Amino acid sequence: DQQVKQNSPSLSVQEGRISILNCDYTNSMFDYFLWYKKYPAEGPTFLISISSIKDKNEDGRFTVFLNKSAKHLSLHIVPSQPGDSAVYFCAASALGTSGSRLTFGEGTQLTVNP
Amino acid sequence: DADVTQTPRNRITKTGKRIMLECSQTKGHDRMYWYRQDPGLGLRLIYYSFDVKDINKGEISDGYSVSRQAQAKFSLSLESAIPNQTALYFCATSDSTASSSYEQYFGPGTRLTVT
Repeated sequence: DQQVKQNSPSLSVQEGRISILNCDYTNSMFDYFLWYKKYPAEGPTFLISISSIKDKNEDGRFTVFLNKSAKHLSLHIVPSQPGDSAVYFCAASALGTSGSRLTFGEGTQLTVNP
Repeated sequence: DADVTQTPRNRITKTGKRIMLECSQTKGHDRMYWYRQDPGLGLRLIYYSFDVKDINKGEISDGYSVSRQAQAKFSLSLESAIPNQTALYFCATSDSTASSSYEQYFGPGTRLTVT
């Protein structure tokens, strides 16, 4: 039972364009969402997060949007850079767990072409 | 120096062998986690620990055990390794007192192959 799904295993975009990575979830108890980035041979690193009381959070080139009614979140990267090429995981935390248990999606491999 | 370290980084072992993966952290965080990553499945939680005396099973704990020897050390054991435990294993930490307590910090991973 995959409660967090990233339906696109891979995404390829041109440098300077927008990258949009999508994530869907099924558990209504999820109240906090995070995006992680992972380079080969390294552990995932935290990128950006959003609480369920918000619908948007920005940090520089990265913006996360949350649509609670659709149980959908997306990560926008503008402009995309070759160094953004990595696997991106979305993760969710359920109400009352204070982030002690994160449920991860399968990941999306982003490739930004020069 | 890395804040979260894992040893070994790579390990090949045979079916039936006992193996231990170790994790150490210098971040001073109270919470520690073990995940495994399989292609197409993302990261799945094996065990987590809120402090030295608090160990909890994650979603896929069967076949694994853990030990929290100190606040900074959390080891994962496979008592009798089997081929479907071949995976990339990550240790992570978080600080329950931080405003960003949801953020987990990951080690570089251990690639385990069971033949």
